Amino acid sequence: DAGITQSPRHKVTETGTPVTLRCHQTENHRYMYWYRQDPGHGLRLIHYSYGVKDTDKGEVSDGYSVSRSKTEDFLLTLESATSSQTSVYFCAISRASGVGTDTQYFGPGTRLTVL
Amino acid sequence: TQLLEQSPQFLSIQEGENLTVYCNSSSVFSSLQWYRQEPGEGPVLLVTVVTGGEVKKLKRLTFQFGDARKDSSLHITAAQPGDTGLYLCAGERQGGKLIFGQGTELSVKP
Repeated sequence: DAGITQSPRHKVTETGTPVTLRCHQTENHRYMYWYRQDPGHGLRLIHYSYGVKDTDKGEVSDGYSVSRSKTEDFLLTLESATSSQTSVYFCAISRASGVGTDTQYFGPGTRLTVL
Repeated sequence: TQLLEQSPQFLSIQEGENLTVYCNSSSVFSSLQWYRQEPGEGPVLLVTVVTGGEVKKLKRLTFQFGDARKDSSLHITAAQPGDTGLYLCAGERQGGKLIFGQGTELSVKP
């Protein structure tokens, strides 16, 4: 298994509070991704990083920010959580070296509930 | 708008039956990946198909990429209870980003 951990694994918070989710990898992969998974939608990309301090938006980035100060850590922050952000969040990593070789390895997920 | 339409979304069959899951799009993808996800875990890559018309086999699973690289199918022969899980297709777009289908929840009953 790829060395990816996510913390916390479960979190319950209230609307309006800030929340930070952490993804940590031991594979030294360049690319890191944050997805959310909701019933009927599969996985949707929130933000991704292609290097330290290099990040870009995905398809559902509104309400989320990210930071990557070290190769191994990618943080996802909800500045002011809303009930629509209740979801399961997955981090993924990849080497991304070319077409068809961009295998993404996923972490175990964080289940976030916003009340 | 879902760029990758996966069907069916739910499938419940008996052990030993065959099944096919479809993944369709109007967009062309650089490659198409299939993942399997078990409850409480992240998706795990099963296969990547790159060339239009490509067919790959993984034991009882057969994956096909459409000639125009817009669609794909997953066929399982003689399904086993251990095949139960969520199957996801994902199309690779420019820059390596993946677009996922909605997923197919497969239940194989003994």
